[in-house]
Amino acid sequence: ETGVTQTPRHLVMGMTNKKSLKCEQHLGHNAMYWYKQSAKKPLELMFVYSLEERVENNSVPSRFSPECPNSSHLFLHLHTLQPEDSALYLCASSQGPYRREKLFFGSGTQLSVL
Amino acid sequence: DQQVKQNSPSLSVQEGRISILNCDYTNSMFDYFLWYKKYPAEGPTFLISISSIKDKNEDGRFTVFLNKSAKHLSLHIVPSQPGDSAVYFCAARDVAGNNRKLIWGLGTSLAVNP
Repeated sequence: ETGVTQTPRHLVMGMTNKKSLKCEQHLGHNAMYWYKQSAKKPLELMFVYSLEERVENNSVPSRFSPECPNSSHLFLHLHTLQPEDSALYLCASSQGPYRREKLFFGSGTQLSVL
Repeated sequence: DQQVKQNSPSLSVQEGRISILNCDYTNSMFDYFLWYKKYPAEGPTFLISISSIKDKNEDGRFTVFLNKSAKHLSLHIVPSQPGDSAVYFCAARDVAGNNRKLIWGLGTSLAVNP
C-alpha cells in the first residue's frame, strides 16, 4: 500500500462506546497529525506527533486520546463522545512537524455519534 | 473570526474555460499560501503553493496569484476539465509562534461541466 490509509472509513457509535481510529502512513514521514473537519467549519488541527512524541495538542477534550506507537502508525481513541463530535476525522503525515505545509492526508473516518 | 475566507462556496464553469477561485486573508503574518483539492470520499491533496515573497506561481494548468497589499490570492485553472470538479481549500501558514500553524478556509466546490 502507498500513502496514508485510515480505518474504518465510517463509524457510528453511541455516547457510551469506546472506539479507535487507525492511521498508517507508508511514506517514511516523521510527523503525523489528526485533523477534524466539521460541517461549515475549517479544518481543525487536533494533535501533532513527531517521531512518536506528541508535540502539539490544540485544546482537545480528553475524550479524544491519541497514541503513536511508532512513526508509521497513529491512533485516536474515542470514549464518551458527544453528538457534536460527529465529523470527518482526517489523518495526515509530513516529512517533519515543521514541514506541515505539504501534508499528505488519508481518506478520513466519517464519525457519527448518536 | 475567520482569518482565511473563501467567500464563494461554489463555482460552476464550462469545460475548456478558466476557473478562478478566490481567497482572502486578514493576517499579515502569513508567509506561505497553499491550495489543496479534495474529491468526495478522499482526503485533501496538495495542489500548489506560493511564498509571500512572490506574486505568481505556475504549475501546468494551475496558477496561483498573490496580491499582498489586498491580502488576496486566487487560483486559476486553464483550461478547466471535468476531472477538476472538487472542493478547493485555501490555507495559509502563520509564522507567529513556533508551530507554523496552517489556517484553512472553508473551501469552494468547483463543478466543471462537459
